[in-house]
Amino acid sequence: GENVEQHPSTLSVQEGDSAVIKCTYSDSASNYFPWYKQELGKRPQLIIDIRSNVGEKKDQRIAVTLNKTAKHFSLHITETQPEDSAVYFCAARPGYALNFGKGTSLLVTP
Amino acid sequence: DGGITQSPKYLFRKEGQNVTLSCEQNLNHDAMYWYRQDPGQGLRLIYYSQIVNDFQKGDIAEGYSVSREKKESFPLTVTSAQKNPTAFYLCASTKQRAGDEKLFFGSGTQLSVL
Repeated sequence: GENVEQHPSTLSVQEGDSAVIKCTYSDSASNYFPWYKQELGKRPQLIIDIRSNVGEKKDQRIAVTLNKTAKHFSLHITETQPEDSAVYFCAARPGYALNFGKGTSLLVTP
Repeated sequence: DGGITQSPKYLFRKEGQNVTLSCEQNLNHDAMYWYRQDPGQGLRLIYYSQIVNDFQKGDIAEGYSVSREKKESFPLTVTSAQKNPTAFYLCASTKQRAGDEKLFFGSGTQLSVL
């Protein structure tokens, strides 16, 4: 099945800096790549997604890039704020279900 | 997000006992999923269902069972064969249509072993 690797597992940045989280996937049939944010004790929430026919997508301070040839995609958060602190999950969908990475715990310090 | 309801929020299982986690959605979504979340392990797929009366095993289906008798409901039973059931269980659903793949999650059930 699809194997999604996510790095780093923890990331600490100062407020205002940028944060980058990277994921790789194994199944070339994957065509949908969402990113979820999960705050402590809460459900995961979709923050941005990208489809295989697009190389980059941006939504305010958040952007995602996709390199299908290399099978990797990345989440970029600019001008980080303390409320960005959470666990972030990438995922890839080769068929009918999402396969998730193990998550990145992001801490933004004031 | 408020369209998916999981219950109970907390559940305790005794040795040798089967327990059932409830998941109901009123979003008219076709596909429903169960994921297990352990610290540092991400979300792992247990079972999923694309239509009523049909479901498929995910990566970690052993020790679990499901049913899909109604479009709105997808209960998960954790059987006594699951030796390490302590985890946070998340139910999710999606329209499963090209261009509309967003996965909506319930608020989760924390299962612990007594």
